[in-house]
Amino acid sequence: NAGVMQNPRHLVRRRGQEARLRCSPMKGHSHVYWYRQLPEEGLKFMVYLQKENIIDESGMPKERFSAEFPKEGPSILRIQQVVRGDSAAYFCASSPGLGANVLTFGAGSRLTVL
Amino acid sequence: DQQVKQNSPSLSVQEGRISILNCDYTNSMFDYFLWYKKYPAEGPTFLISISSIKDKNEDGRFTVFLNKSAKHLSLHIVPSQPGDSAVYFCAASGGLDSGGGADGLTFGKGTHLIIQP
Repeated sequence: NAGVMQNPRHLVRRRGQEARLRCSPMKGHSHVYWYRQLPEEGLKFMVYLQKENIIDESGMPKERFSAEFPKEGPSILRIQQVVRGDSAAYFCASSPGLGANVLTFGAGSRLTVL
Repeated sequence: DQQVKQNSPSLSVQEGRISILNCDYTNSMFDYFLWYKKYPAEGPTFLISISSIKDKNEDGRFTVFLNKSAKHLSLHIVPSQPGDSAVYFCAASGGLDSGGGADGLTFGKGTHLIIQP
C-alpha cells in the first residue's frame, strides 16, 4: 500500500524556466493538498484539490503558480517563470475526505532555482 | 500572521528524560490539533492528535495536553530516545476560515528536538 508519491524528489531550474511537480495520493484518497516549506519556516498551505476541482487556492501566489488534479493521473503543481524565491521544499499530502483531519504527506520535492 | 506558534526553534534533552514541546495558537476556530515529526529529507509523519473536546491524549511515550482557555498545547515525550531527534511541527485544523483549506492544516514553524546521549 504505497503512500503519497511525489516526483521528482529534486529539481533544479534556471530563472525563467518552468517547474512541474507531481503527486500521486495514497490509494483510496481523493483529496490532495500542496504545502510549501521555505528555509527556516514551517509548512505553508498552498492549495486543496479534489479530482477535477480546486476547492481552496487561498494560499497560492496570484501569478505563475497553478495546480490541477485531473480525473486520471497525478496532481500537478506548476510554477512558470521560476525565480530564486521559489526555491523551497514542496510537500503534497492526501486524505480520504472531509472530516479525516489527519493528512498523509509525501517525501517532498525540493526545487532549487539557480 | 502566524496563527500557530512554536516559540522554541530548538530544544536539547538528555536521553531518558522528558521532552516537552510547546505550541500556542491564536485562532479560536481551530478544533483539532496534531503533532507531526519530520526527519531531514523526508515528509512529515503524523504522531498524535487531540480534539478540542479533550484536554489530554496519550499514545505510548507520547502525550499531548490541550489548554483551550490559554490556547496552548504541549507534547510530552517520556522517556526521550535518540530516535526522537527530529523537527516537530504543531498543526491545527478548523475549517475554511482558518487558513489551511477545508480540513487542511495550519502549521507552526517547528521545533528541532535534539536528544543527547
